[in-house]
Amino acid sequence: GQNIDQPTEMTATEGAIVQINCTYQTSGFNGLFWYQQHAGEAPTFLSYNVLDGLEEKGRFSSFLSRSKGYSYLLLKELQMKDSASYLCAVRDVYGLTGGGNKLTFGTGTQLKVEL
Amino acid sequence: DAGVTQSPTHLIKTRGQHVTLRCSPISGHKSVSWYQQVLGQGPQFIFQYYEKEERGRGNFPDRFSARQFPNYSSELNVNALLLGDSALYLCASSLLGLTGGNTEAFFGQGTRLTVV
Repeated sequence: GQNIDQPTEMTATEGAIVQINCTYQTSGFNGLFWYQQHAGEAPTFLSYNVLDGLEEKGRFSSFLSRSKGYSYLLLKELQMKDSASYLCAVRDVYGLTGGGNKLTFGTGTQLKVEL
Repeated sequence: DAGVTQSPTHLIKTRGQHVTLRCSPISGHKSVSWYQQVLGQGPQFIFQYYEKEERGRGNFPDRFSARQFPNYSSELNVNALLLGDSALYLCASSLLGLTGGNTEAFFGQGTRLTVV
């Protein structure tokens, strides 16, 4: 089956660092994505990992351990505009026919950045 | 370049009615996927189309159907609407769509469907 877990809510202070964890169980793993979604808006792409290790992209970094089914998103130098929902999504082929793939999302972590 | 565009942005329908939602992918993208996002939850996969063929279907009833046109735009149809179909419907396009394709999915702004 498929299962993706991430914390529901987190609160952090402007300028600080926050780590959002994600654990997953899935078949046919083909990459892990992190998306940011502000209220009422579309998810926007932040990062992609398919191999173990750390991917850094400006203030955002993402880590993947396939053997542990674990990823985290690290946000540095937090800004007020970083207040949003952060979605962990696994791309897989579980349950699909036809050669396609799909993203299976967690419920999202609502991050609140305070002064 | 225009991003993924969806229409309409908002829609109110009555139980039992039918609805058609439309999506235009990013130019050059051949894969379109549809997702349903209920408030407070992550998006749930409904369909993927690649090169005009259905490549995957999520755990949704047969009231949900879709198709992809020669210009790669797509429609999502929902028949016999239920109150529980109220959600944000997201369309995502990507350059490739088959297993092993290594491109991100770009999401449209979504269609907010309210069933009353």
